[in-house]
Amino acid sequence: EVQLVESGGGLVQPGGSLRLSCAASGFTFSNYWMTWVRQAPGKGLEWVANMKQDGSEKYYVDSVKGRFTISRDNAKNSLYLQMNSLRAEDTAVYYCARGGGFLSDQWGQGTLVTVSS
Amino acid sequence: DIVMTQSPDSLAVSLGERATINCKSSQSVLSSSNNKNYLAWYQQKPGQPPKLLISWASTRESGVPDRFSGSGSGTDFTLSISSLQAEDVAVYFCHQYYSAPITFGQGTRLEIK
Repeated sequence: EVQLVESGGGLVQPGGSLRLSCAASGFTFSNYWMTWVRQAPGKGLEWVANMKQDGSEKYYVDSVKGRFTISRDNAKNSLYLQMNSLRAEDTAVYYCARGGGFLSDQWGQGTLVTVSS
Repeated sequence: DIVMTQSPDSLAVSLGERATINCKSSQSVLSSSNNKNYLAWYQQKPGQPPKLLISWASTRESGVPDRFSGSGSGTDFTLSISSLQAEDVAVYFCHQYYSAPITFGQGTRLEIK
């Protein structure tokens, strides 16, 4: 069974940093693109970033470029999102998702990030 | 960026009746190299992550009931639920994965009338 478990969310002040992690199991992690998608409270889905199997390609939504960094450790079956210079508008549930290319077919339960003073 | 626009924003349908949700993309998501539409539909129930229902505009994922169907090509797509069940109450999102930035529709809330 595919499992994606996010962690690392919490309350952070504007300008602060957080590192999200996603632990994957039940599939060969190194064979898949991986993606972060976020959802602000009561709002729709916003793709944040994704990354190719070997890390050779990474893509970001414009609003996080220069502030967020996606990375992965295939030996640890883990995906990460380093988030710096956080803003109130980054407040959301952050989902880790498995992809075949740009299509995400399995999602984790999400971790809530709240940016507030 | 490809903008995805869904209609309607909300929909109330009687049990057993047909529900139809539309999605329009600002650019074609049909690839000329493989003749595939890079369009997916997700279902999201309260407190849960999105669940992939349909990919490639019309391919149902394993385990998805056959009352769900997708159609369309190029820029205009439709998700249909042939006979609405109580468990289908959810928000539905269309999604283009043709090019970065990957984008989603704003969502359609489906309720029981």
